[in-house]
Amino acid sequence: ETGVTQSPTHLIKTRGQQVTLRCSSQSGHNTVSWYQQALGQGPQFIFQYYREEENGRGNFPPRFSGLQFPNYSSELNVNALELDDSALYLCASSLEPGGGATDTQYFGPGTRLTVL
Amino acid sequence: AQKVTQAQTEISVVEKEDVTLDCVYETRDTTYYLFWYKQPPSGELVFLIRRNSFDEQNEISGRYSWNFQKSTSSFNFTITASQVVDSAVYFCALSEAYETSGSRLTFGEGTQLTVNP
Repeated sequence: ETGVTQSPTHLIKTRGQQVTLRCSSQSGHNTVSWYQQALGQGPQFIFQYYREEENGRGNFPPRFSGLQFPNYSSELNVNALELDDSALYLCASSLEPGGGATDTQYFGPGTRLTVL
Repeated sequence: AQKVTQAQTEISVVEKEDVTLDCVYETRDTTYYLFWYKQPPSGELVFLIRRNSFDEQNEISGRYSWNFQKSTSSFNFTITASQVVDSAVYFCALSEAYETSGSRLTFGEGTQLTVNP
């Protein structure tokens, strides 16, 4: 069974640029959630995708957007990068989106984004 | 709004000591789920345990044990006979079940545990 994978591992961008981060969900999982983790803090929920549609969103501006593909993999896009966007971006997959015993989220290794 | 508080920012112990990590949560829901994750220096969050709000039975898994008390809104994590490999940041998290809008994890700020040889 393959776990959650993310690419790239590290990324350096400059302010104002756009970035795309990728995530492949664990085998059999149809739900993907994205989190932002600033240095020394707990992860913050960005949004969740289920059946190729956004299924819940945290307190992040519209320049944070995403996609989910038919194979359940997902992308996180951030436009007009700001210095405060520098963080570890974590992707998590789960069997189902909410409730019950099937929504435990399993995390990938993350993408470290640095904005200069 | 839901909130998770981990008051201990850093804990340092000597190998073989027992250590308890505290977690206090706030939620208005009657059905919710509590989690503990471990984050080693590599960055990946490793799932340790999930507990449903209607199941207050404590759980033990090897050297790990969890004490869930709804009366005090706490979900504490104890490592018995700590080892150097237990050194990591530990996060407590809360999930409210949004049947139609997904479930999101609300994390505490984490506790950095250092186990010294």
